[in-house]
Amino acid sequence: QVQLVESGGGVVQPGGSLRLSCSASGFTFNNYGMHWVRQAPGKGLEWVAFIRNDASNTYYGDSVKGRFTISRDNSKNTLFLQMNSLKPEDTAVYHCAKLGGYGDFEYWGRGTLVTVSS
Amino acid sequence: SYVLTQPPSVSVAPGKAASIPCGGNNIGTKTVHWYQQKPGQAPVLVIYADSGRPSGIPERFSGSNSGNTATLTISRVEAGDEADYYCQVWDSSSDHYVFGTGTKVTVL
Repeated sequence: QVQLVESGGGVVQPGGSLRLSCSASGFTFNNYGMHWVRQAPGKGLEWVAFIRNDASNTYYGDSVKGRFTISRDNSKNTLFLQMNSLKPEDTAVYHCAKLGGYGDFEYWGRGTLVTVSS
Repeated sequence: SYVLTQPPSVSVAPGKAASIPCGGNNIGTKTVHWYQQKPGQAPVLVIYADSGRPSGIPERFSGSNSGNTATLTISRVEAGDEADYYCQVWDSSSDHYVFGTGTKVTVL
């Protein structure tokens, strides 16, 4: 079965950096695009970034463009999110998700919590 | 940017039907997906491509999409359906994925 497990969250000061990882199993990782989605405490879902299966293209939400970088290592079935210049408003649970065949978010990980605070 | 609007909350008695609207400009021309999220859990896809049902999702869940509104309908609501529900589309004009504002379904 499909499993997505995020790691790398924690507490970081404003202006700091953090790198999240998402380990994937149960499907052929290099055949599928992957997303990061975040959810601030008590708030709704916000799409963060998307990367195609071969990393040929990446796309970002307006609130993170220029600060976050999505990447992947298909040899290790792992997705990454490099987060720089972090702001308090980036505090959220970050989920990775597998792209489905219809542009849906087919499977989700449980998420990792990032807290940006001094 | 494209905006999807949902009512903050919907209340329904057990055994009745709940309808959750998702409003967007000409949303009927887009492909809509729906997710269920229970407290402390990851979202789960319950409807894909307007009305498709993933394996394991009960037939009580159905979707439709036309004009400026997409709708998720839960028939014969059960206590276990209590959750937050989000609609989602891909906006081709911006290459952005967009989520609705979310609706909390309460079973009375």
